[in-house]
Amino acid sequence: DSGVTQTPKHLITATGQRVTLRCSPRSGDLSVYWYQQSLDQGLQFLIQYYNGEERAKGNILERFSAQQFPDLHSELNLSSLELGDSALYFCASSPRLHQETQYFGPGTRLLVL
Amino acid sequence: GQQLNQSPQSMFIQEGEDVSMNCTSSSIFNTWLWYKQDPGEGPVLLIALYKAGELTSNGRLTAQFGITRKDSFLNISASIPSDVGIYFCAGSFSGNTPLVFGKGTRLSVIA
Repeated sequence: DSGVTQTPKHLITATGQRVTLRCSPRSGDLSVYWYQQSLDQGLQFLIQYYNGEERAKGNILERFSAQQFPDLHSELNLSSLELGDSALYFCASSPRLHQETQYFGPGTRLLVL
Repeated sequence: GQQLNQSPQSMFIQEGEDVSMNCTSSSIFNTWLWYKQDPGEGPVLLIALYKAGELTSNGRLTAQFGITRKDSFLNISASIPSDVGIYFCAGSFSGNTPLVFGKGTRLSVIA
């Protein structure tokens, strides 16, 4: 158990809908990272938050957004969902801003029908 | 963008055999990480390497940070059934830059 929690574990929805994925980092960790894992693309970095502020952006679509709250939990919002958004979404955390060693949560499996 | 080439893509080995896999990059990294992912779970950090030439062990696992800083290797000795899973390498140039992941090596162990 990495100490990172994610909810829900599974999510099934329809195209055009909007969903919110939630992540609680390890106790004491200030940085939260979101990743998308699909079969053909591997793990793709989406976005990083540190202590409530966005710090780095990767290959995140404009239809996706995230935020980190004062209690350090984070949410990833996916809107206008398309079939191709079906994937595993992982959250990871690390103690500091510039910290390569990241600990991953169990992931949310999203299926868009 | 940066790419990591991980090989082999998959391997089938007999229990008790040693395993080697590697990761190469088109550019220099200053940190190499190795993760293992079990089905339906998130990646779990196995070994972190921070210095060129560094050799680090974690039980039956040994990883090396290549001296060119463009590659890394992971060896598993005396494999057991619970070694089954997908092994990912990840690299970073600095703490300011995101981790880049390889596409993984899928390991199957035949008892």
